[in-house]
Amino acid sequence: KQEVTQIPAALSVPEGENLVLNCSFTDSAIYNLQWFRQDPGKGLTSLLLIQSSQREQTSGRLNASLDKSSGRSTLYIAASQPGDSATYLCAVSQGAQKLVFGQGTRLTINP
Amino acid sequence: EAQVTQNPRYLITVTGKKLTVTCSQNMNHEYMSWYRQDPGLGLRQIYYSMNVEVTDKGDVPEGYKVSRKEKRNFPLILESPSPNQTSLYFCASSLYGGHQPQHFGDGTRLSIL
Repeated sequence: KQEVTQIPAALSVPEGENLVLNCSFTDSAIYNLQWFRQDPGKGLTSLLLIQSSQREQTSGRLNASLDKSSGRSTLYIAASQPGDSATYLCAVSQGAQKLVFGQGTRLTINP
Repeated sequence: EAQVTQNPRYLITVTGKKLTVTCSQNMNHEYMSWYRQDPGLGLRQIYYSMNVEVTDKGDVPEGYKVSRKEKRNFPLILESPSPNQTSLYFCASSLYGGHQPQHFGDGTRLSIL
């Protein structure tokens, strides 16, 4: 059974720092991996989707990498801003049926 | 505006009183799913639907029912709610499956007393 883990559960950094969020999964037979952002009282917003054949995907200040063989993905946020404060979740897909989510990393960017 | 709409957003009710949480999407998506989010457990899938009249169980389906009579709607039914179903519920949709970018509703917070 696929298990997805995100460490740390919470992270607090000063504004302007570059930071990395980690995601690991136990079964490397994945179709793709998605990173989401969740703001308090809101649903999840899809940030990046990396296909299993890709190594990385970029959107603005965000860069996600995938190492399928080792079961790891990282989300790199450059020049962090207070508006980046949110919970970040990763999820893996092993087919069309469903996603398996990690528990998330709660990120706080201090001005 | 493309969106997934859940109703109600908040509900406090009592054990055993049947309730329905509605989910509607306006993007003509074939795939819809329900999740519950609990502290320390993350999001867990309850049910999903690949298309009209096609539904299947996720990881935690016990105590829930769903139906998909129209493409845009995917209601979640709790026929006899119990306190362990107190949770934050999310509906999501995508074009064809869970492997595609998901669009989430804003969530429904249910409290079962």
